[in-house]
Amino acid sequence: AQTVTQSQPEMSVQEAETVTLSCTYDTSESDYYLFWYKQPPSRQMILVIRQEAYKQQNATENRFSVNFQKAAKSFSLKISDSQLGDAAMYFCASKGPTNTGTASKLTFGTGTRLQVTL
Amino acid sequence: SQTIHQWPATLVQPVGSPLSLECTVEGTSNPNLYWYRQAAGRGLQLLFYSVGIGQISSEVPQNLSASRPQDRQFILSSKKLLLSDSGFYLCAWSLRNSPLHFGNGTRLTVT
Repeated sequence: AQTVTQSQPEMSVQEAETVTLSCTYDTSESDYYLFWYKQPPSRQMILVIRQEAYKQQNATENRFSVNFQKAAKSFSLKISDSQLGDAAMYFCASKGPTNTGTASKLTFGTGTRLQVTL
Repeated sequence: SQTIHQWPATLVQPVGSPLSLECTVEGTSNPNLYWYRQAAGRGLQLLFYSVGIGQISSEVPQNLSASRPQDRQFILSSKKLLLSDSGFYLCAWSLRNSPLHFGNGTRLTVT
């Protein structure tokens, strides 16, 4: 079984500043995947960034990057040059490997609400 | 490119009435399909997932059921809705070892 913990219910950042959202996870899988999803007020779930556990290099997508610490089972999201449009709920999630004929389930944390101020 | 359609966007139903939410995926074959529910202000709970036509796995016992009559169609149903069934329902698809891609969701209010 997999568990994902987000210990920050709410965070606030000023526009153009940098913010880091925390996430820890627990899994018995040796091969797994980690994700950050963004849920704006429209409630659509939008994939922000993904990280394969077997890759040591931290994933980066434009202003979004992760700090993946495999031994500590930590997967934090850094948002640089924050914009008003970044305001949303952010969910950390983990997923085990999928074998043929099986589906690997995505386990979510409880989310962090990010507020961006002027 | 792949797209996922989920409808209706909003639904208000009385207690005891039936429910049918539909989700279809375009642009891919044999996807894994998922139904999640999100209660107000909370995270997402997996309800059902499917790896193929007619193959449904249930994560939690509840008043809901799911069916997959076609490869890219996933339906969430209930014979008699309860107040506790209110929430935001999200359909998603994925391929092997790929991220889940979500539909726009259905906001269900049971009155």
